Amino acid sequence: AQKITQTQPGMFVQEKEAVTLDCTYDTSDQSYGLFWYKQPSSGEMIFLIYQGSYDEQNATEGRYSLNFQKARKSANLVISASQLGDSAMYFCAMREVLYFGNEKLTFGTGTRLTIIP
Amino acid sequence: EAEVAQSPRYKITEKSQAVAFWCDPISGHATLYWYRQILGQGPELLVQFQDESVVDDSQLPKDRFSAERLKGVDSTLKIQPAELGDSAMYLCASSFGTAATNEKLFFGSGTQLSVL
Repeated sequence: AQKITQTQPGMFVQEKEAVTLDCTYDTSDQSYGLFWYKQPSSGEMIFLIYQGSYDEQNATEGRYSLNFQKARKSANLVISASQLGDSAMYFCAMREVLYFGNEKLTFGTGTRLTIIP
Repeated sequence: EAEVAQSPRYKITEKSQAVAFWCDPISGHATLYWYRQILGQGPELLVQFQDESVVDDSQLPKDRFSAERLKGVDSTLKIQPAELGDSAMYLCASSFGTAATNEKLFFGSGTQLSVL
């Protein structure tokens, strides 16, 4: 079963507008973590933001915020005032702690964001 | 700022040949991961090390892939023989390794493999 679902393969957004990238997840665990990573054309995965399952406040990091709706199992990324440098692939990921201290980070299929000048 | 180092950046090989990728994690990071990312998809975990021990290699095609981290520091991923379907980006990542849900991974720039 798909653990992380990103339904938007591609998005085009005008520069300076806000954009929301969707992510839904599936887990039966009570404790888990949700991440967003950015992957520019250079290939490196860059950490953007983290949300813990017990965090009551939505996470924010500069222009990035995470709209966490636990009951709906969604963790959408919001980028405010988009810039040309935001053009990249964006991946949602979920980290679960399994057993004996083992853990697993599972990625979605990604959304390609293109910012239009 | 400390980085995860990977080499080579690009590798072109013919099918049936052997290839090897190298990764040096951030100093002090006990956990090292190898991910494979096929074009248009998200990264998929191949193997995870805690120090020199393999923690998870359930998705590693063991008939042709091998991975080692002999001294618990740098790591090598090998494919022998390479097949056309192995063409992908191979990403190495490391984390401090406390197995907490907020433990973020730091990624290298990857090795882009093309099998002809």
